[in-house]
Amino acid sequence: GAVVSQHPSWVICKSGTSVKIECRSLDFQATTMFWYRQFPKQSLMLMATSNEGSKATYEQGVEKDKFLINHASLTLSTLTVTSAHPEDSSFYICSATRDSLNSPLHFGNGTRLTVT
Amino acid sequence: QKEVEQNSGPLSVPEGAIASLNCTYSDRGSQSFFWYRQYSGKSPELIMFIYSNGDKEDGRFTAQLNKASQYVSLLIRDSQPSDSATYLCAVPHGSGNTGKLIFGQGTTLQVKP
Repeated sequence: GAVVSQHPSWVICKSGTSVKIECRSLDFQATTMFWYRQFPKQSLMLMATSNEGSKATYEQGVEKDKFLINHASLTLSTLTVTSAHPEDSSFYICSATRDSLNSPLHFGNGTRLTVT
Repeated sequence: QKEVEQNSGPLSVPEGAIASLNCTYSDRGSQSFFWYRQYSGKSPELIMFIYSNGDKEDGRFTAQLNKASQYVSLLIRDSQPSDSATYLCAVPHGSGNTGKLIFGQGTTLQVKP
């Protein structure tokens, strides 16, 4: 069964608005979750690492003020795309491992964001 | 040089044949290797992972790792049309953290009935 749950599956928003995406680990506590992004015809790229109880770690080139990450509990991380623009339209996928040193990464179902 | 390289394909095989998907990586220190399957419009699904040199089999899937050649492959036996998807090879970032993966571009597999 699913290990990681993500919501919503798709969202359409107007330029300038903000969108929140939720990611939950279903049967384990995830002190760390990972947010990836995939543009059409491209592979997945890691955006940031979400750390429970502390600030997220962002990959080079990812604006932390635009992509707000909150990991308030051991089973929930949220990604908020602030002041969305059409170029933010993408497939956002959260993920988690049971043990980041040894266990494989499991992905949520992803969120298709379209900014008009 | 890209860190993880795959032939984008498409790789076309007839139903029942063996599909062979290849991946090379640049970091000689990499210790774990993952194959994900991604259907169009869906998120990646873990197929196999391998840590040791040699072969690892799981049903119709076999992962092969050769660390000396920095090469990992995925064989799919008795290919089915439902196997048609993009297959992504992934290697952890230099830290070894399996949550921080570097993905190849993916190989699109087409299995023709």
